[in-house]
Amino acid sequence: KNQVEQSPQSLIILEGKNCTLQCNYTVSPFSNLRWYKQDTGRGPVSLTIMTFSENTKSNGRYTATLDADTKQSSLHITASQLSDSASYICVVRPSTSGTYKYIFGTGTRLKVLA
Amino acid sequence: NAGVTQTPKFRILKIGQSMTLQCTQDMNHNYMYWYRQDPGMGLKLIYYSVGAGITDKGEVPNGYNVSRSTTEDFPLRLELAAPSQTSVYFCASSPSGGEQFFGPGTRLTVL
Repeated sequence: KNQVEQSPQSLIILEGKNCTLQCNYTVSPFSNLRWYKQDTGRGPVSLTIMTFSENTKSNGRYTATLDADTKQSSLHITASQLSDSASYICVVRPSTSGTYKYIFGTGTRLKVLA
Repeated sequence: NAGVTQTPKFRILKIGQSMTLQCTQDMNHNYMYWYRQDPGMGLKLIYYSVGAGITDKGEVPNGYNVSRSTTEDFPLRLELAAPSQTSVYFCASSPSGGEQFFGPGTRLTVL
C-alpha cells in the first residue's frame, strides 16, 4: 500500500537552531516528492520538489534531501525563525500513468520559540 | 492574481442540510482538486478535474458531488450533511498536474 510517514509528529526548537524533519515513503513507482509548508489556518505552499534523480535541493534556509534507494527524504531548516512555525507536509506523486493522485503525509508540526 | 479563492471560510451545518463550497482560480490552470483535512491526518482527495467538463473521484468521494463547467470554477456539493463530514476543505489548482496551489480552506462543522 502506498504510504507516506513523517517524523517527528511535532517538534519545538529555539529560534536560531537547526532542525531536520523526516519523510519515509513506500510509494512505488515514484515520480517526485514535494515538501509543503502549511501555516495555521492557511493552505499548504510548496517549498521544494525532488525528482528521482536528485539528491539535494535548497530553497533559502530550507534544504531537502532524497535517498530513492531507501525511500527516505528529509527537510533541514537552518537558523530557524519564528515564521518557520508551521506544519511541514511531505507529498509523494506516484508515477502511474494517468494518475493525479498524490499521497500526503500527516505532517510535522514545528514550533519555534523566541 | 488572487490565486485560489474559497468561500465560505467557516460554516456550521445541521445534519441533513445541503451546501456548496465554492472554489475559483484565476491562473487558467486545467487541473483542480478538492481535499479534506481531518485533525492529525494527511489530506485526502475527494474529487479532481483535469479540465472543464471532466471530473473524477478521488479516495473519499462518498457524500460529495462536483461539477466543472468552466476552467475557473470547481464547486463541491454536500447533499445530506453528516457529522463525519466535519473537516477543513481545501481546493487546489495546478497547471499541469505538478505543483498544486491551495486555497485558504473552508472549515465546516456538521452538528
